[in-house]
Amino acid sequence: NAGVTQTPKFRVLKTGQSMTLLCAQDMNHEYMYWYRQDPGMGLRLIHYSVGEGTTAKGEVPDGYNVSRLKKQNFLLGLESAAPSQTSVYFCASSRHGTGHYEQYFGPGTRLTVT
Amino acid sequence: AQKITQTQPGMFVQEKEAVTLDCTYDTSDQSYGLFWYKQPSSGEMIFLIYQGSYDEQNATEGRYSLNFQKARKSANLVISASQLGDSAMYFCAMREGLGNSGGSNYKLTFGKGTLLTVNP
Repeated sequence: NAGVTQTPKFRVLKTGQSMTLLCAQDMNHEYMYWYRQDPGMGLRLIHYSVGEGTTAKGEVPDGYNVSRLKKQNFLLGLESAAPSQTSVYFCASSRHGTGHYEQYFGPGTRLTVT
Repeated sequence: AQKITQTQPGMFVQEKEAVTLDCTYDTSDQSYGLFWYKQPSSGEMIFLIYQGSYDEQNATEGRYSLNFQKARKSANLVISASQLGDSAMYFCAMREGLGNSGGSNYKLTFGKGTLLTVNP
C-alpha cells in the first residue's frame, strides 16, 4: 500500500497563477483533509471531506477550493495564488467511526508563491 | 482561546534520558480524543499515541506514554530512554465531539509544536 500520496512535491507559482494539488489514498478511507503548515503555526485545516461528493470548510478556507469526485482522491485548488499561500500543504485521510482512528498523512507539498 | 497549547517551543534532552513534552487543551465536550504526532526533519507526520477522554488508563506505545490528567486538561507526552532519532517536532492534537454523529467531529486541531533535540 502506498498510503497517502501527494502530487507535486514542490511547486513555485507566480502571484495570480492557479494550480491544483492532488491527494490520493489507497486505504479506502471515508474522510480526507487538507492542512497547511506555516512556521510557528502548527497545522491548520483548510477543507475536509466526509465522503465522495461532499466537502466542508475548515479553519482557513479562503482562497482555496476542493473537490472529491472519487473516494480515493481529494483535490485542492488555488484559483489565484497569493504570496500568503506560500506554505507546506499536507493531505490526510482517516477511517470513519468513533474510535481513535488516527489520520494518515501524505508527505506534503512545498508551495512557494512569488 | 487556543484549543491546544504547547508551551515549550524547544526542548533539549540527553540521549537515554526521559523527557516530557507538555500539552494542555480546552474543550467543553465530554467525549474527545488526544493525539501526538512526530514530524522529523524529513517532513512526514507520524502518529505516535492516542488517549480517549474516557480511557481510564494512560496510553502507552513502546517508549511513548501519555500522562493524561483530565481535571487539569493536560495530555503530556513522555518519551523514555531518548534516542538520537527522537529529535523532531512533536505536535499534540485534539479531536472533539466523538459522541456526535456527522462529519464535523473528525477534524483535528493541532498545537504549534515542540522541537525536541536529543544530544549525544
